[in-house]
Amino acid sequence: AQSVTQLDSQVPVFEEAPVELRCNYSSSVSVYLFWYVQYPNQGLQLLLKYLSGSTLVKGINGFEAEFNKSQTSFHLRKPSVHISDTAEYFCAVSVNRDDKIIFGKGTRLHILP
Amino acid sequence: DSGVTQTPKHLITATGQRVTLRCSPRSGDLSVYWYQQSLDQGLQFLIQYYNGEERAKGNILERFSAQQFPDLHSELNLSSLELGDSALYFCASRGDRHGYTFGSGTRLTVV
Repeated sequence: AQSVTQLDSQVPVFEEAPVELRCNYSSSVSVYLFWYVQYPNQGLQLLLKYLSGSTLVKGINGFEAEFNKSQTSFHLRKPSVHISDTAEYFCAVSVNRDDKIIFGKGTRLHILP
Repeated sequence: DSGVTQTPKHLITATGQRVTLRCSPRSGDLSVYWYQQSLDQGLQFLIQYYNGEERAKGNILERFSAQQFPDLHSELNLSSLELGDSALYFCASRGDRHGYTFGSGTRLTVV
């Protein structure tokens, strides 16, 4: 079975500073990887996804993530955060395009002024 | 607007009652997935339907059931409600071109 571990439940970071949200996954087969964002009182929005190909994936709002198969990681990064990035971020995995998505517990990003 | 419509947005009901949550997928999407988001359990997969047939089951309680109709909309039925069923319930649909799309959710409060 697949699982996702988000290593930090909360990450505080100053505005305009860089941020990395960590994600590790466990699977015995190849996986698809996703990052979703949930703004306060809203639904889930896809930030980016890795299906195959280049291990560096660029998403919306200036976010990017790097797939590292040897370390089974898919960390999310942004070089300079803005107050509008305050949200909860979910790393997720599925084993094929039709399969259910398994989510991590989420990381709450706090932007400090 | 993601194209996935969930109704109602909010629902308040008493323990022991039954409710129905509705999801209309994006036009042309055959797969519908239901998820429950709660503070203690996080985002949990409940059940998947594909073109009217149950495809996969997750952590769905026996008191909960779902179905997908010929017009592809789906309903999640929750019965004998308990306080612990209070949560956000998300529906997602999947299409070949765009992948997963989530609705904005139904917030269920059981009092």
